[in-house]
Amino acid sequence: NAGVTQTPKFRVLKTGQSMTLLCAQDMNHEYMYWYRQDPGMGLRLIHYSVGEGTTAKGEVPDGYNVSRLKKQNFLLGLESAAPSQTSVYFCASSLTGGRVDYGYTFGSGTRLTVV
Amino acid sequence: GESVGLHLPTLSVQEGDNSIINCAYSNSASDYFIWYKQESGKGPQFIIDIRSNMDKRQGQRVTVLLNKTVKHLSLQIAATQPGDSAVYFCAENFAGGTSYGKLTFGQGTILTVHP
Repeated sequence: NAGVTQTPKFRVLKTGQSMTLLCAQDMNHEYMYWYRQDPGMGLRLIHYSVGEGTTAKGEVPDGYNVSRLKKQNFLLGLESAAPSQTSVYFCASSLTGGRVDYGYTFGSGTRLTVV
Repeated sequence: GESVGLHLPTLSVQEGDNSIINCAYSNSASDYFIWYKQESGKGPQFIIDIRSNMDKRQGQRVTVLLNKTVKHLSLQIAATQPGDSAVYFCAENFAGGTSYGKLTFGQGTILTVHP
């Protein structure tokens, strides 16, 4: 089992460029999440999905879009990257959502720098 | 939204000592709490969890204590080892109808274990 796989692991963008971060899980989890992690701060929720074809906004959704066309994949898009989006992005999945047993399974992260 | 915070951002201990990492939470409706360990360059890894109907739970070398009266959570690590050096996060969840497994994370405590 690969668990949660994030691609790419590193990326440098110029301001205004666009990109898509891919998260793939092979555990048949219903719920998937995108978080960002900034220095000295905990993880903050960007968007989440409670099942294939559904998405919802989290705490810091501005500047990001997401799609969940297939159950195993959750894509995070930046349409016009800004330096404020420089961060480490983590994807996570969970089986049950509303009752979070044993927490999430996290990916290893994508380090994004916007210059 | 309400948030989870930590009293001590850094903690240094000697190998073999016991470590205590503290966390304060503000949402009295939260009923599920998790401690995560994050090593450099990796995603958070589940350590131990506790539900609000408990005040103590033990794992292998770790114990989580929950004090709902003062909304305080702690992680105790026995016989701390250099491999325990990492950032530790607490996270809370409220199992309400629309929570969808969303976790609110604290800012993290850096634990450094000296040989």
